Amino acid sequence: DVKVTQSSRYLVKRTGEKVFLECVQDMDHENMFWYRQDPGLGLRLIYFSYDVKMKEKGDIPEGYSVSREKKERFSLILESASTNQTSMYLCASSPGLGGEQFFGPGTRLTVL
Amino acid sequence: QKEVEQNSGPLSVPEGAIASLNCTYSDRGSQSFFWYRQYSGKSPELIMSIYSNGDKEDGRFTAQLNKASQYVSLLIRDSQPSDSATYLCAVNFPGGQLTFGSGTQLTVLP
Repeated sequence: DVKVTQSSRYLVKRTGEKVFLECVQDMDHENMFWYRQDPGLGLRLIYFSYDVKMKEKGDIPEGYSVSREKKERFSLILESASTNQTSMYLCASSPGLGGEQFFGPGTRLTVL
Repeated sequence: QKEVEQNSGPLSVPEGAIASLNCTYSDRGSQSFFWYRQYSGKSPELIMSIYSNGDKEDGRFTAQLNKASQYVSLLIRDSQPSDSATYLCAVNFPGGQLTFGSGTQLTVLP
């Protein structure tokens, strides 16, 4: 079974802090994704990566950056957290860009 | 523009009934379609994938695809209270990643 893990299930940070969310997958997938999910807005793609050190902006990249130094690990960085970044953050991986995606358990981030 | 439309619900069905969840999409060239189940507070879980017109069955779940009508559906037979969740439709648009619908909330009443 595909396993995607995320570093924290719950996280509370202060406005202005730098926040790192980490995601690791164990299935040697080429593609990894970061989404946020908010009530009424569905899943929104922040960034994705189709190879090591490669990244592409999704629909809502503002205020976020990513890093992929190793194939299995994809990090989401909030350079200066703001209250409007309070959300559920979901990482996913897939063997192909248009194929099925497998999600991690999610990180519920609260920015105070 | 890539659009995946689902009725947000909530959809309520009695235990043992058939639940029917529908999804339409905007690009006739789409080739891959997926259904995810998401329990409250949890992450989406892939339950069905379908790539060609017609029906695909897996246990109590049947996915139906009609590319000419740009329509994909999920039927859940013998619905159980444990099926109560939000169901997300996802479509692979040409040249892009998956696009997700906003989900249909299903409640199965005991």
